[in-house]
Amino acid sequence: DGGITQSPKYLFRKEGQNVTLSCEQNLNHDAMYWYRQDPGQGLRLIYYSQIVNDFQKGDIAEGYSVSREKKESFPLTVTSAQKNPTAFYLCASSIRGRGTEAFFGQGTRLTVV
Amino acid sequence: DQQVKQNSPSLSVQEGRISILNCDYTNSMFDYFLWYKKYPAEGPTFLISISSIKDKNEDGRFTVFLNKSAKHLSLHIVPSQPGDSAVYFCAASPLSNFGNEKLTFGTGTRLTIIP
Repeated sequence: DGGITQSPKYLFRKEGQNVTLSCEQNLNHDAMYWYRQDPGQGLRLIYYSQIVNDFQKGDIAEGYSVSREKKESFPLTVTSAQKNPTAFYLCASSIRGRGTEAFFGQGTRLTVV
Repeated sequence: DQQVKQNSPSLSVQEGRISILNCDYTNSMFDYFLWYKKYPAEGPTFLISISSIKDKNEDGRFTVFLNKSAKHLSLHIVPSQPGDSAVYFCAASPLSNFGNEKLTFGTGTRLTIIP
């Protein structure tokens, strides 16, 4: 079955540590996205990539980094520079040229203690 | 600056009745609109969409209405069922900006269907 997979579902890290969230898709989509969800804030765009080896900052990119070395994979690193990293992170993918009808993964809940 | 607004954080509706969820937007460049449904600790799933050339799109129990002049859209669910209880997100995109499309989401409305 085609889909988008995020792992792990729950992640705990100590303050000051970098952590990388995985996102893999086998939908043959060119575009991939990372969103963050906080209570009462909706989904906010962190980074997006329309094609391999290219990515752009979203609305809240500070303290995050990404890479897009393969079409199927778009990992997100939450660095120690991110002031408030505890959140629910969602990865999505879509056909390039249409940021619409994006398909989402199940999400990763990151808790920094 | 919240470009997509869902002013009702929550809504409770009796089973079998109509649920109406509202969404307002401020960016006149938006011309493609979507509704997503989300259960707790899961990713959102696409529900229904509408482009600005239409004012209504229907899919089974779900209908989305778009009023471009008022920059307002609504999602109607009829009849409402217990499985419809979820958070609903409105999202918007500028369709014409090829290569730079990205979805802007509202803050969500939690719909509770009362049996």
